[in-house]
Amino acid sequence: GIQVEQSPPDLILQEGANSTLRCNFSDSVNNLQWFHQNPWGQLINLFYIPSGTKQNGRLSATTVATERYSLLYISSSQTTDSGVYFCAVEVRAGGGNKLTFGTGTQLKVEL
Amino acid sequence: NAGVTQTPKFRVLKTGQSMTLLCAQDMNHEYMYWYRQDPGMGLRLIHYSVGEGTTAKGEVPDGYNVSRLKKQNFLLGLESAAPSQTSVYFCASSYSWTSGRPRNTEAFFGQGTRLTVV
Repeated sequence: GIQVEQSPPDLILQEGANSTLRCNFSDSVNNLQWFHQNPWGQLINLFYIPSGTKQNGRLSATTVATERYSLLYISSSQTTDSGVYFCAVEVRAGGGNKLTFGTGTQLKVEL
Repeated sequence: NAGVTQTPKFRVLKTGQSMTLLCAQDMNHEYMYWYRQDPGMGLRLIHYSVGEGTTAKGEVPDGYNVSRLKKQNFLLGLESAAPSQTSVYFCASSYSWTSGRPRNTEAFFGQGTRLTVV
C-alpha cells in the first residue's frame, strides 16, 4: 500500500516562531488533507488540498502532486497550535477511495 | 448540523465481552471509515464502506466486524474483546453525490471513543 511519511516527527517552537511541516507520499493520490489533533484528541480539518496552495489565517498549505509531497506552514505560532499534525492521502481501492494517514508531527509551542 | 457522531464516548470492557460502536453522519456521505489510534501512533484503518450495504477491510481488520445497513450509520463490532483492542476509535465520512455527479469531499471525523479492555 501507499506509504505516507511526515517530518519532522517532533518539533518544539517558541511562541511567535514560524515552521514548515512536510508530508511525502509514495504513490499518486486523489486528494490530500491536513488535520490538527488537539490535546483533547479532537481531529480538526485544516486543509483539503489535492494540489496548489491554500491559506487560512496563519496557516497555509502547498501540495505538489507530481512530486508527491505537501507542506504545511505555520506562521507566528501560538500555544494553541500545540498538538499533532497529520496529513492523510486518499487513494483508489476496492471500488472506492481509502484514506491513509501519515505518521504525524508532534508540535509543542512554548511561551 | 451534527456532522459525525460516535456512541459511546467511553467504555470499559472485560476480556471476552462484546460490544458495538455506532457512528452516525448527517451529511449524506457515501464513504464511512473506522480507525483506531494507539498512543504515539497515527490512525490505522480498520474497515471502511463505500456505500450502503458494502464493507471492505482496511489495514488492521482482525477481531472486528462492521455493518452498513443504512447509509447514515456504520457499526463497528467487537465479538470477543481483547486487551490489545484497548485504543481510541475514530469514525469518519466523506464523498457525496451532487446533482447526480460524484463529488470528492473532505473527510470529517467524530469525536472518538475511548475503549479500555481489562
